[in-house]
Amino acid sequence: QSVLTQPPSVSAAPGQKVTISCSGSSSNIGNNYVSWYQQLPGTAPKLLIYENNKRPSGIPDRFSGSKSGTSVTLGITGLQTGDEADYYCGTWDSSLSVVVFGGGTKLTVL
Amino acid sequence: EVQLVESGGGLVQPGGSLRLSCAASGFTFSKYWMSWVRQAPGKGLEWVANIKQDGSEKYYVDSVKGRFTISKDNAKNSLYLQMNSLRAEDTAIYYCARKGYKFDYWGQGTLVTVSS
Repeated sequence: QSVLTQPPSVSAAPGQKVTISCSGSSSNIGNNYVSWYQQLPGTAPKLLIYENNKRPSGIPDRFSGSKSGTSVTLGITGLQTGDEADYYCGTWDSSLSVVVFGGGTKLTVL
Repeated sequence: EVQLVESGGGLVQPGGSLRLSCAASGFTFSKYWMSWVRQAPGKGLEWVANIKQDGSEKYYVDSVKGRFTISKDNAKNSLYLQMNSLRAEDTAIYYCARKGYKFDYWGQGTLVTVSS
């Protein structure tokens, strides 16, 4: 049981848009920055979004992040087959003094 | 170019020990928090531990407290994870990651298998 809650899977057609939600509490998402990670099959995770909505250099603007209260959302537009991956949200939990991740969401591009 | 290269994984019996290493390059290692994150086969990411720039602060997930020790040698640009009293549930790929929780770079991982 993960501290942060994500849907196990989402799917959409190529070219379409998809959103992935991540919900937590005031001790984690509510008061700390959230990052999103993309893990392509058989590879290490890669930072996709940091500080809720910032993109590292090299990440296309098809990827976006937003935050509202104790939830964050990852948006991906113009879906490509190469976007098929597992996506994880993560942040610091100030009450537990640990890093917490969501359980991960598997994106399928139909 | 930032690079993180883990080593030290392998097969170990329950109750045994293993020491993982992470060689860092391409950035000023002494200026960064560093972390270990693991992923059991077919499962999600689980943070294991992190350590402050100078090693003065360390944090661990409850399941490894008292068994694992994170350390860093800034002179050698290296991060370590000493794992003792290993259990089957510690079987995972262990990733070294830069920063305390906003992990901006990851290594390729090293597989630890705990089995008799």
